[in-house]
Amino acid sequence: GAGVSQTPSNKVTEKGKYVELRCDPISGHTALYWYRQSLGQGPEFLIYFQGTGAADDSGLPNDRFFAVRPEGSVSTLKIQRTERGDSAVYLCASSQGLLRDNEQFFGPGTRLTVL
Amino acid sequence: LAKTTQPISMDSYEGQEVNITCSHNNIATNDYITWYQQFPSQGPRFIIQGYKTKVTNEVASLFIPADRKSSTLSLPRVSLSDTAVYYCLVNTDKLIFGTGTRLQVFP
Repeated sequence: GAGVSQTPSNKVTEKGKYVELRCDPISGHTALYWYRQSLGQGPEFLIYFQGTGAADDSGLPNDRFFAVRPEGSVSTLKIQRTERGDSAVYLCASSQGLLRDNEQFFGPGTRLTVL
Repeated sequence: LAKTTQPISMDSYEGQEVNITCSHNNIATNDYITWYQQFPSQGPRFIIQGYKTKVTNEVASLFIPADRKSSTLSLPRVSLSDTAVYYCLVNTDKLIFGTGTRLQVFP
C-alpha cells in the first residue's frame, strides 16, 4: 500500500510569506506527527494528532506555526510570516495509534527554504 | 523526558558486525526503546523496537540489559547500503530524536 506522502517536496519562499505543507498519512492511521529536521540534526518533534485533535503541540516553536487535521486524515502545517530560521526539512509521520510500541512511518519530507 | 546518548560516528567494513550502544538513564517503566535508520533526503525508517532482553528481526538485533539504562543495536554483516544515520529513541507517546550515530561502511 501507499506510504506517507508529503507535498510539495520542495518549497522556496521569501521571508515574511505564508506557506502550507501537506501530509497524507497511511490510510487508517489515526495518529499523525510533524517533525522538523535541520541539517546535521535529528528530527525535532513539533506536534501530533490523534484523530482530528492535537494531542500535543508542545514542540511548535511559536505562534507562527499552526497545524490542522480537520477530517482526521490529511494534515496541513501552516507557517505564517516565515523567517530564514524556518528553513529545514519538515517531516510527517503516521502510526496506527498512540500506544508507545506503535511504529511511526515517515514521509520523505518537504524541504522548505526561506530566502 | 528520557534523553539518549550515542556515539556521533562509527566506521566499519563490509561483512563486519556493527554494534551501536545507546544510553538512556532516565527511561521510564512504560517506555519502549526504538531504533530508526535514516538515509540522506529520506525520512527515518523503523528498524527495531524492544522493551527488555533481546529482540531480533530480519535486519538487526536489539539487546537490552535488565536495568534498561542502555541498549545495543547489532547489525550483522553490514554492507555498503547500511551507511546511514542510526537513531536510538525512548518511545514515549512522541519520538525524541538525538543527533544519532553516523555509520560509514567501507568496502
